[in-house]
Amino acid sequence: GAVVSQHPSRVICKSGTSVKIECRSLDFQATTMFWYRQFPKQSLMLMATSNEGSKATYEQGVEKDKFLINHASLTLSTLTVTSAHPEDSSFYICSARDPSGPPRDEKLFFGSGTQLSVL
Amino acid sequence: GQQVMQIPQYQHVQEGEDFTTYCNSSTTLSNIQWYKQRPGGHPVFLIQLVKSGEVKKQKRLTFQFGEAKKNSSLHITATQTTDVGTYFCAGQGAGSYQLTFGKGTKLSVIP
Repeated sequence: GAVVSQHPSRVICKSGTSVKIECRSLDFQATTMFWYRQFPKQSLMLMATSNEGSKATYEQGVEKDKFLINHASLTLSTLTVTSAHPEDSSFYICSARDPSGPPRDEKLFFGSGTQLSVL
Repeated sequence: GQQVMQIPQYQHVQEGEDFTTYCNSSTTLSNIQWYKQRPGGHPVFLIQLVKSGEVKKQKRLTFQFGEAKKNSSLHITATQTTDVGTYFCAGQGAGSYQLTFGKGTKLSVIP
């Protein structure tokens, strides 16, 4: 199946610094990528939809100035957590659909996730 | 907005016992998907159900989509330790490209 690569897998940073997370579709082009956040023992919460060449669409309650999303190419989307604080510590995970898949095939391919710890 | 409820939140079974997790959507879905997330891992797609009343099987796993396309279930027969993980359902509403995930059911299998 399609592969989505996400880096870094783990990052520890000081409070107030910014962290960039990359999400790449390795063998397909993704005009849309999705960014999720997952707290321990909880479900995946959609943060935003990243659209290639245009602004991301953020879910209600997600600060767009804090979670900057850039989707500059058909294979790369980045999420930057700006001025990170301890409450931003979480598991961030991206996903994408392979548009070349069978018709009506809506399955998502997930990156391996990034565990962010803000000290 | 669309909500997807999933129960139970946790399930502990003896190896060899059966396991079922249930999902219910607040709205009619165009499709429902199931994912498995192993401890420390990322969600991996298991299956997509599209048709009303659809039943699909993958070895010991049986997936059902309700007639009204609002509920779904995943049943595992004779669980094995390799089945351990969290199973998520995810519903896609009609005309939407977004998936709404249930809270997941964490399955523990006691050898």
